Amino acid sequence: QKEVEQNSGPLSVPEGAIASLNCTYSDRGSQSFFWYRQYSGKSPELIMFIYSNGDKEDGRFTAQLNKASQYVSLLIRDSQPSDSATYLCAVNEGKSTYKYIFGTGTRLKVLA
Amino acid sequence: DADVTQTPRNRITKTGKRIMLECSQTKGHDRMYWYRQDPGLGLQLIYYSFDVKDINKGEISDGYSVSRQAQAKFSLSLESAIPNQTALYFCATSSTGGLNTGELFFGEGSRLTVL
Repeated sequence: QKEVEQNSGPLSVPEGAIASLNCTYSDRGSQSFFWYRQYSGKSPELIMFIYSNGDKEDGRFTAQLNKASQYVSLLIRDSQPSDSATYLCAVNEGKSTYKYIFGTGTRLKVLA
Repeated sequence: DADVTQTPRNRITKTGKRIMLECSQTKGHDRMYWYRQDPGLGLQLIYYSFDVKDINKGEISDGYSVSRQAQAKFSLSLESAIPNQTALYFCATSSTGGLNTGELFFGEGSRLTVL
């Protein structure tokens, strides 16, 4: 069964620090990788997507993809208390452009 | 107003009752999805649809049915609700257009409790 694995946390970091969130996936055919942020009781919202090996930066967020090792990570620089949420990793299933496998999420707590 | 609207937002019902969760969207997207979220289990796909004539089962479709009444409307039914269907349900949409990134746009969620 194809899987996406994340450490459930909580991951606690002090305000201003770098938060590093990791995700591994089992399907070598996956080509699209997403990070969603979900506040408690709210719906997921997209933070970053990445398709190619390497780093992709957007403001304080950097997504890193290593297809050979089958992991994708999200770095949050200058973490703020408002970043406290659950971060979901999602991977497309095989070559599908419409089906996604979600990890169970990592809960991040940024301490003021 | 939200682009993807779910009703009801909260529902408490009893075992054996029929329940319908409704989803409508103003994003003009073709693809619509129903997901279920349980603590510690992440998001699981129940059904997805590409258009009104194309409906597909996801990984956990047993005990659920769907109807795509129009491009903008996709409803989820529990014919005879049972307690282990207590969960948070999300409707989502995605685009098939040329600039499609694969992003899913989620509704605000419908919290269902089956007693």
